[in-house]
Amino acid sequence: GAVVSQHPSRVICKSGTSVKIECRSLDFQATTMFWYRQFPKQSLMLMATSNEGSKATYEQGVEKDKFLINHASLTLSTLTVTSAHPEDSSFYICSARDPAGGFTDTQYFGPGTRLTVL
Amino acid sequence: SQQGEEDPQALSIQEGENATMNCSYKTSINNLQWYRQNSGRGLVHLILIRSNEREKHSGRLRVTLDTSKKSSSLLITASRAADTASYFCATDWGNQFYFGTGTSLTVIP
Repeated sequence: GAVVSQHPSRVICKSGTSVKIECRSLDFQATTMFWYRQFPKQSLMLMATSNEGSKATYEQGVEKDKFLINHASLTLSTLTVTSAHPEDSSFYICSARDPAGGFTDTQYFGPGTRLTVL
Repeated sequence: SQQGEEDPQALSIQEGENATMNCSYKTSINNLQWYRQNSGRGLVHLILIRSNEREKHSGRLRVTLDTSKKSSSLLITASRAADTASYFCATDWGNQFYFGTGTSLTVIP
């Protein structure tokens, strides 16, 4: 099956710094990628839909200036958490569709990035 | 919120017993998918059921879908300790993908 990678898998940073998380589709081209956030013992919450070559679509309540998404190529989307604060500490997961499978195909998830802001 | 709901929130059973978890959702769907997540790890895709299907099997997993009630159930038969994890349903509609609240399953050896 299709593989999605994320980098880094774990990051610890100081409050006020910015952190970039990369999401790559390794063996397919993804016109659309998705970013989720998961707090401990909770479900995944969709943050935004990342479209290659255009602006991301953010879910209600997600600050687009705080969580910058760039989908510059068909295999790479990045999420930058700007001026991170302890409340941004979370597990961030990306996913991508394989367009060859059409709309009803499975989403492929990355392994996640654990962000800890001190 | 588009998020679906799952029940129970937590389920504890003995090894060998069956585990059933339910998912209710709010929108129309193209398909519904079930995922497993071990603590602190990524998601593992279990099974996908399309909106025109009513039941699907995969190994020890059985999924049902009732679009009239906007609900789905996941049955794990003959559970094993290794099945201990959180289970999430996710609905797929119009390029949007939303997860349910999850069920935490503990299988006691």
